[in-house]
Amino acid sequence: GAGVSQSPSNKVTEKGKDVELRCDPISGHTALYWYRQSLGQGLEFLIYFQGNSAPDKSGLPSDRFSAERTGGSVSTLTIQRTQQEDSAVYLCASRPPSGRLAGELFFGEGSRLTVL
Amino acid sequence: KNQVEQSPQSLIILEGKNCTLQCNYTVSPFSNLRWYKQDTGRGPVSLTIMTFSENTKSNGRYTATLDADTKQSSLHITASQLSDSASYICVVSPGGSYIPTFGRGTSLIVHP
Repeated sequence: GAGVSQSPSNKVTEKGKDVELRCDPISGHTALYWYRQSLGQGLEFLIYFQGNSAPDKSGLPSDRFSAERTGGSVSTLTIQRTQQEDSAVYLCASRPPSGRLAGELFFGEGSRLTVL
Repeated sequence: KNQVEQSPQSLIILEGKNCTLQCNYTVSPFSNLRWYKQDTGRGPVSLTIMTFSENTKSNGRYTATLDADTKQSSLHITASQLSDSASYICVVSPGGSYIPTFGRGTSLIVHP
């Protein structure tokens, strides 16, 4: 696709339920990031994938959060037993491997999660 | 600890006026600095990139400056337009790492 695609754009769930958020990066981008943005706050790094290397999970806030990237492309962020403090916009970004735009992150529109 | 601090936190200006946003960082070693624009409800979009050797870079009405000695950057917006209303985020990439450090952003509102 032309840009990073995220789904769903909005998700409302009840406390304690599991949710899955999907990210489809730009074709050819080898790196993929997940960020969390709470209302009025900056972007909080969650996890980073680079090719076939082990992901950098240093930003995941708890073991309820996990992510995978299948085939080096699509990624899924899973939040188990959601809590109200998980309510935020979850942004996915991909990065090209080289060239003039290397290092620039291309963001999706985000998935807004509301936990009731 | 790598940190990026932005000021002001928010800013309101009249259409047509100029403004300057500030960014101070403690990221080391330094690789590059980018300014992103985030419209409400959208993902951030890169405006400019500054490397160690660059002092000034322009992108239309946006001009970014970098002082690598004092670890400061600024984003100057000339002749503001209503569409400039957004959050402007300073992002610094450390050398040897692909995980950049984000500032919390400056929220700019341009009034007619």
